[in-house]
Amino acid sequence: KQEVTQIPAALSVPEGENLVLNCSFTDSAIYNLQWFRQDPGKGLTSLLLIQSSQREQTSGRLNASLDKSSGRSTLYIAASQPGDSATYLCAVSDSNYQLIWGAGTKLIIKP
Amino acid sequence: NAGVTQTPKFQVLKTGQSMTLQCAQDMNHNSMYWYRQDPGMGLRLIYYSASEGTTDKGEVPNGYNVSRLNKREFSLRLESAAPSQTSVYFCASSETSGGQGRFGSGTRLTVV
Repeated sequence: KQEVTQIPAALSVPEGENLVLNCSFTDSAIYNLQWFRQDPGKGLTSLLLIQSSQREQTSGRLNASLDKSSGRSTLYIAASQPGDSATYLCAVSDSNYQLIWGAGTKLIIKP
Repeated sequence: NAGVTQTPKFQVLKTGQSMTLQCAQDMNHNSMYWYRQDPGMGLRLIYYSASEGTTDKGEVPNGYNVSRLNKREFSLRLESAAPSQTSVYFCASSETSGGQGRFGSGTRLTVV
């Protein structure tokens, strides 16, 4: 059974730092991997989707990488800002296209 | 604005009561999903509909039923609510199964 783990569960850093969020999964047979952002009391916003054949995707200050063989993905946030404070979730899509989710990393960027 | 609309946003039920959570999307997406999110856990899939006219069970379907009313609408019904169903429920849609998803803002349900 696919399991997705995100470490750390919470992270607090000063504004301006570059940071990396980690996501690991146990079964490398994935269709794709997605990173989402969740703000308190709100829905989820899809940030980046990496197909299983891809190694990375970039959007603005965000860069997500995928290493299927090792079952790992990282989300790199450059020059962090207070507005980046949110919970970040990763999810992998299995062969049935169902998303299996990590529990998330709660990120706080201190001004 | 295009997106996924869920109603209601908040609901309190007594044990044994029934209710239906409504979800509609206006992006002409084929696939729709219902998830629940509990504290400290990732989202768990309750039911999904890969396309109009089809529905399938997800990871935690017990105690729930769904209806894909048309391409736009996908409802979730609790026939006899239980305290274990206290959770935040999210509806989502995607153009294709496994595609990039769009999420509603959630329904916070409390069963007492």
